[in-house]
Amino acid sequence: GAVVSQHPSRVICKSGTSVKIECRSLDFQATTMFWYRQFPKKSLMLMATSNEGSKATYEQGVEKDKFLINHASLTLSTLTVTSAHPEDSSFYICSALAGSQETQYFGPGTRLLVL
Amino acid sequence: DAKTTQPNSMESNEEEPVHLPCNHSTISGTDYIHWYRQLPSQGPEYVIHGLTSNVNNRMASLAIAEDRKSSTLILHRATLRDAAVYYCILIDYGQNFVFGPGTRLSVLP
Repeated sequence: GAVVSQHPSRVICKSGTSVKIECRSLDFQATTMFWYRQFPKKSLMLMATSNEGSKATYEQGVEKDKFLINHASLTLSTLTVTSAHPEDSSFYICSALAGSQETQYFGPGTRLLVL
Repeated sequence: DAKTTQPNSMESNEEEPVHLPCNHSTISGTDYIHWYRQLPSQGPEYVIHGLTSNVNNRMASLAIAEDRKSSTLILHRATLRDAAVYYCILIDYGQNFVFGPGTRLSVLP
């Protein structure tokens, strides 16, 4: 149980285009999901907290107009990187909160390369 | 900032037990101790978590010091597939995960 999927697993796009990444909880409902970014050889950095039916909460320094988050159902959250630039190239990972003891289950990640 | 301290790297031989330490001297009474691991090019994987008592599951054991200021993740028989970065994270209700650099475990055949 507690499986989280992400789609796509990798994407290459041109600078200036937008990219949407989906995060799904497959066998449980998740009121809260999280989006992280990880640069090479670095640890995960939280970008935003996504709550079903309400606006996402962004961490300091993360542009909410650039990284659009939608959590329209209890099993799906999406992250859209708008007007992507090469510096947005990174490994994007989502997670979903499950249970009462703050356990998060992570997706396999999406590798974004912006040319 | 991460509230935990872990060694940057550790090595183990295959088939041998591995003890991964974590110091968390400022832990509060309601902080859960979570362990995750991340294999190359994958998202983190839940390993185990606990509050006060030692915990066992099919992946590992978690030994928590009596004063809760440190804990140890125990892999009973390391395999090559256990090579990963292991993260020790303290989390209280409503808080966000803060990932430190973790411990990079290498398993030698």
